[in-house]
Amino acid sequence: DQQVKQNSPSLSVQEGRISILNCDYTNSMFDYFLWYKKYPAEGPTFLISISSIKDKNEDGRFTVFLNKSAKHLSLHIVPSQPGDSAVYFCAGVSGAGSYQLTFGKGTKLSVIP
Amino acid sequence: SQTIHQWPATLVQPVGSPLSLECTVEGTSNPNLYWYRQAAGRGLQLLFYSVGIGQISSEVPQNLSASRPQDRQFILSSKKLLLSDSGFYLCAWSVLRGARSSYNSPLHFGNGTRLTVT
Repeated sequence: DQQVKQNSPSLSVQEGRISILNCDYTNSMFDYFLWYKKYPAEGPTFLISISSIKDKNEDGRFTVFLNKSAKHLSLHIVPSQPGDSAVYFCAGVSGAGSYQLTFGKGTKLSVIP
Repeated sequence: SQTIHQWPATLVQPVGSPLSLECTVEGTSNPNLYWYRQAAGRGLQLLFYSVGIGQISSEVPQNLSASRPQDRQFILSSKKLLLSDSGFYLCAWSVLRGARSSYNSPLHFGNGTRLTVT
C-alpha cells in the first residue's frame, strides 16, 4: 500500500515559469510533511516542510500548500531556475512512527533554459 | 556543524558475497540513525533505524542487517548478497526524539552508496 503518491514521474518547465509538484497521501495519521530535493549520485537534501495544522508554508521561491480534506499537497517553485532541476520527494511523517518518513517515488523536474 | 560520511560511494559485488557499508556522523551526540534504499523506479524505503547503541529496528524483512557499535556509527551488512539487493543506499541522521517530532529537525542524508550486485 503506497501511502504517499507522486503520480507524475517527470515534469518539464521553462526557466522563469512556475513549477508545481504534486503529492497525494492516504495516511490520515501524518502530522507533517517534508519535501526533499535530490541530485544524481547525492543524498536528498531537505527543502521545506509543513505541519498538518497549516495550509501554507513559504520559504523564498518555494511554497508548499496542504489540502487536508483532499489529502493533497503541492510544492510551488517560482520562478523556476535551471539549478532546480532535480528529483523531488514528498514525505509524510506520523506521530506514532516519529522516526519514520514515508516517501513518495519522486518527481524529476527539468527546468529548461 | 554536523556532517555525515558514508562509504564507499560505489560498489560492485557478485551474488553471494558479503556486504558492509559504513556510516558515521560527526558534530552531534545521540543521533537517530537510519538506512534507506532507493531501488530503480521506486521511492526511498526505510530499512533500519536506531535510537541508540545496540538498538536496531527493522522495517522490512530482507537479506540485510544493521548494527550500531558506537553512538555515531551505523553499519549495514549482508552475509550473502542477492541480485535484488542492488540499489542506492542512503544513511541518514536526525535528532527527532519521543512520540512527537518537530518538523524543524528533518532527516539529514549522506551522499549514498550505489550498490550493483552482479
